[in-house]
Amino acid sequence: GIQVEQSPPDLILQEGANSTLRCNFSDSVNNLQWFHQNPWGQLINLFYIPSGTKQNGRLSATTVATERYSLLYISSSQTTDSGVYFCAVEETSGSRLTFGEGTQLTVNP
Amino acid sequence: NAGVTQTPKFRILKIGQSMTLQCTQDMNHNYMYWYRQDPGMGLKLIYYSVGAGITDKGEVPNGYNVSRSTTEDFPLRLELAAPSQTSVYFCASRLWGFAEAFFGQGTRLTVV
Repeated sequence: GIQVEQSPPDLILQEGANSTLRCNFSDSVNNLQWFHQNPWGQLINLFYIPSGTKQNGRLSATTVATERYSLLYISSSQTTDSGVYFCAVEETSGSRLTFGEGTQLTVNP
Repeated sequence: NAGVTQTPKFRILKIGQSMTLQCTQDMNHNYMYWYRQDPGMGLKLIYYSVGAGITDKGEVPNGYNVSRSTTEDFPLRLELAAPSQTSVYFCASRLWGFAEAFFGQGTRLTVV
């Protein structure tokens, strides 16, 4: 099956800093999503982005499908951005949605 | 729309007991998924379904069973609970094709 690798595994920032999270995948995909898992465990949809670029406030994402990676940008980080960020993909040959291991983000005041 | 609803939210089971985790969605989604998440880890796919009457194994299906008799419901059955099944379980659904998945709130299960 498809392999999904996220980097870095852990990231500690001061409030106000910017960051870039990366998701690499090993095969062509139909579907790519970014999720934020908050400290209460809830999974929140950030972006559905199988290709191209999207922005939502301080967050934006870019997927370069031909090169098999996606980037999540967080600008002017806030303490409420803390949590785990997951990338999930569905390969073109199947219906499974496969998750990476996540990036644990801690934003300190 | 309620979205994806999981019940119960919390449960403690004794070793060897059985239980069913319920998942219902009201968005008329074709695809439904069950994942487990162990502490500090990512989500692992247990089973998934692309429509009523069709189910398939994911990465970690051992010890679990599923059924999909309707579009709305996708219950997950644990037959003989083991401590290794202590985890948080998430259900998700989405439409066929290019569409985002939506997750339920999760069920925290402890087997003692």
